[in-house]
Amino acid sequence: AQSVTQLDSHVSVSEGTPVLLRCNYSSSYSPSLFWYVQHPNKGLQLLLKYTSAATLVKGINGFEAEFKKSETSFHLTKPSAHMSDAAEYFCVVKLSGNTPLVFGKGTRLSVIA
Amino acid sequence: GAGVSQSPRYKVTKRGQDVALRCDPISGHVSLYWYRQALGQGPEFLTYFNYEAQQDKSGLPNDRFSAERPEGSISTLTIQRTEQRDSAMYRCASSSQSGSDTQYFGPGTRLTVL
Repeated sequence: AQSVTQLDSHVSVSEGTPVLLRCNYSSSYSPSLFWYVQHPNKGLQLLLKYTSAATLVKGINGFEAEFKKSETSFHLTKPSAHMSDAAEYFCVVKLSGNTPLVFGKGTRLSVIA
Repeated sequence: GAGVSQSPRYKVTKRGQDVALRCDPISGHVSLYWYRQALGQGPEFLTYFNYEAQQDKSGLPNDRFSAERPEGSISTLTIQRTEQRDSAMYRCASSSQSGSDTQYFGPGTRLTVL
């Protein structure tokens, strides 16, 4: 079975500084990996996804993530945080075919002015 | 509309009552998924459909929960004899084709059982 561990429940950064949200996954097969963002009172929005193409994946709003099979990691980064990035971020794993998404517990990102 | 919609957005009910939560997927999307998200947790899978056929209901917690998608579009998740532990955010997602990796989520229905 596949699973996801988000290593930090809360991350706080200053505006303009880099963001790093950590995620490790466990999967018996080659998974697809995603990052979703949830702003207050809004639905889950897809930030980016990895599906066995390039290991460095670029997403929306300047976010990117790197798939590292040797470390079973898929950390999310952004060079410079913006106030609007404050939200809950979920790392997600999925096997191919008709299988559901498996979510981590989420990391709440706070951005300080 | 352009995205997935859910109604109601908020539902408060008394223990023992039945509730029906509705999901309207993106037009033309084949697959529809239901998830439940407890406070402080990530969403957890409940069930999913391809067209009108329920493919997997392994995530439904017990037989008080059921779902249908009779015409392959709108879906209803029904919870009978609600209990306080059913309080959660219920999320619906759709994807354009069977097995497609990308799922698009609606805003969710916040259910509170008193």
